Amino acid sequence: QVQLVESGGGLVKPGGSLSLSCAASGFTFSDYSMTWIRQAPAKGLEYISYISNTGSGSTIYYADSVKGRFTISRDNAKNSLYLQMNSLRAEDTAVYYCARYIAARGRSFDYWGQGALVTVSS
Amino acid sequence: DIQMTQSPSSLSASVGDRVTITCRASQSISDYLNWYQQKPGKAPKLLIYAASSLRSGVPSRFCGSGSGTDFTLTISSLQPEDFATYYCQQGYSTPYTFGQGTKLEIK
Repeated sequence: QVQLVESGGGLVKPGGSLSLSCAASGFTFSDYSMTWIRQAPAKGLEYISYISNTGSGSTIYYADSVKGRFTISRDNAKNSLYLQMNSLRAEDTAVYYCARYIAARGRSFDYWGQGALVTVSS
Repeated sequence: DIQMTQSPSSLSASVGDRVTITCRASQSISDYLNWYQQKPGKAPKLLIYAASSLRSGVPSRFCGSGSGTDFTLTISSLQPEDFATYYCQQGYSTPYTFGQGTKLEIK
C-alpha cells in the first residue's frame, strides 16, 4: 500500500536550517508529482512547494511565503522527497506533510505522510 | 490567490443527522474542488475530488456537489467516526489554497 513517511523535524533557532525527508513506498515514485503542505498549530493548511514527476521535466513551485528560503528536491532512485529549509522564522513553525499530487483527480493530494513537526524558537 | 471560504466554521450535530458544509471560491474554479477530512493529530484524508467524485473506499454517505464558485459537502447520516474537521481545496490555479476548515462536533 502507498506509504509516505516524513523525517527530520525538530527544534531550530530563528535563522537556522533544517532538512526534511519523505520516504515513499507502495507506488512508482518517479511517476508522480509530489508536494509539501504545512499546517501551523491549530491553523489551516498551506500548500508550499511542488515538484513534478520525472516525465514532466523538473517543474518546481514555491509559495511566496517560502520562496528563496526553501528548496524542494527528489531522488527517484531512493524513492525520496526532500525539503531544505533555510533562514527559518517563527512563522515557519508547523507540521510539514509530504503529499502525492494527482492532476487527473481535481489536482488533489491523495496520500499524505504522518507529518513532521518543525518548531522555530529561540 | 483564490480565496476559499467555508461555512460554517463549526457545527454541532448528532449521530444520524444529515449535515452540509459549504465552500465558496473567490472566483470561478470550474470543478477543481476537493474535500478532505482531518482528525486530531492525523494527516488530512482525501474524500471527494473534482467536486463530486467519491474517492475509492470512502463511504457513500459522503457526497460532493457544485461548480464554478459554490460547492457543498453533504454527509447523509453522520456516523461517530465522521466527527472531524473538513477542508475544501481548490486545484484550479496555483497557489492551491484551502478553506479555513469546518469542525464537526458531537452535539
